[in-house]
Amino acid sequence: GNSVTQMEGPVTLSEEAFLTINCTYTATGYPSLFWYVQYPGEGLQLLLKATKADDKGSNKGFEATYRKETTSFHLEKGSVQVSDSAVYFCALRQGGKLIFGQGTELSVKP
Amino acid sequence: GAGVSQSPRYKVAKRGQDVALRCDPISGHVSLFWYQQALGQGPEFLTYFQNEAQLDKSGLPSDRFFAERPEGSVSTLKIQRTQQEDSAVYLCASSARGGDLNSNQPQHFGDGTRLSIL
Repeated sequence: GNSVTQMEGPVTLSEEAFLTINCTYTATGYPSLFWYVQYPGEGLQLLLKATKADDKGSNKGFEATYRKETTSFHLEKGSVQVSDSAVYFCALRQGGKLIFGQGTELSVKP
Repeated sequence: GAGVSQSPRYKVAKRGQDVALRCDPISGHVSLFWYQQALGQGPEFLTYFQNEAQLDKSGLPSDRFFAERPEGSVSTLKIQRTQQEDSAVYLCASSARGGDLNSNQPQHFGDGTRLSIL
């Protein structure tokens, strides 16, 4: 079946460091791909999405490119801030439902 | 408010009790989803409604879990004879249109109900 695998956390970075969180997927066809973020004490929020191969989703300085050849959707940000500390979830859409990875906790230190 | 609202925010129950969790989706949203999120894990799909019709309940872990959306708006997830392994955060999400295979409508999540079974 379809599945999503993320790099394990926690990831700890200093402010202004470069961020990469790896995400790979297994799916039939070409599902839409998403990154969701969960800040402490809050619900899941959509961060960005891509609906077809080679699409780049971007928001708040974060980017991810839909790579069908490597079945990947890695999340990147050039310069992280303390306020980016959260848990990040990669997900794919199968029919109506979302299939999530296990989440990667990011901690940014000043 | 404009977002998905879930209640209660926290629920503690003794093993064997029945619980009911409520979800108020964004007004006018056609699709409604329930997910279960165990500690340290990603959310896992439970069930999906399009209006009042329950189109997919393949994720419900047992027949103790039951969901309804009788008027196509508010939804209730009921768990009967709760067990300790039911402890988790239960998330509700809604999206504007029906979830066809090519839909890329974003799902908007509530803050969840944290259920603890003692």
